[in-house]
Amino acid sequence: AQKVTQAQTEISVVEKEDVTLDCVYETRDTTYYLFWYKQPPSGELVFLIRRNSFDEQNEISGRYSWNFQKSTSSFNFTITASQVVDSAVYFCALSEDGGEGGSQGNLIFGKGTKLSVKP
Amino acid sequence: KAGVTQTPRYLIKTRGQQVTLSCSPISGHRSVSWYQQTPGQGLQFLFEYFSETQRNKGNFPGRFSGRQFSNSRSEMNVSTLELGDSALYLCASSFSLGSYGYTFGSGTRLTVV
Repeated sequence: AQKVTQAQTEISVVEKEDVTLDCVYETRDTTYYLFWYKQPPSGELVFLIRRNSFDEQNEISGRYSWNFQKSTSSFNFTITASQVVDSAVYFCALSEDGGEGGSQGNLIFGKGTKLSVKP
Repeated sequence: KAGVTQTPRYLIKTRGQQVTLSCSPISGHRSVSWYQQTPGQGLQFLFEYFSETQRNKGNFPGRFSGRQFSNSRSEMNVSTLELGDSALYLCASSFSLGSYGYTFGSGTRLTVV
């Protein structure tokens, strides 16, 4: 069965600190997709990144970076020099292969990590 | 371009009633998925529609149903509401099955009293 674990329920940091959000996943599939979403208080899930199981390259986008390691089934997310606007709940999600180079629509989400960045 | 639009934004219903929620995907998107978000269970997949056909279904009772129209708009219906159905219901759309990413709406907050 597929499962996503975000062990950190809540994290509180002071602005400009670096913070890493952990994500560990379980799947028997060889082709799968991993996602990170951000949910601000407004409720909308904002897409941050998608990674397929064959691409283990780390990615950096501005202050955000992701570390994908198949050997440990982890897909961790780091925010460098955090800002108050980064305060939100962050979700890691997993989906099976949907064909055509993409994922299925039934994302399996972790429980989320609530990040509070204080000024 | 307009994002995923969910209506209504908030809803209060009485136990035993039924409710219909609406989702208008991004123009050109043909796949629509629905999720239920509660504090206890987190985000759980309800169903996915593509070209008016249900392609995937989560582990929810038959009281939860959905449909998709020819213009890709989708509705979900919950009959015989229970207190435990109180949740944020999120809709996500994508261009096709096997998609790069899913764009979510702001959700409908359903409260059952």
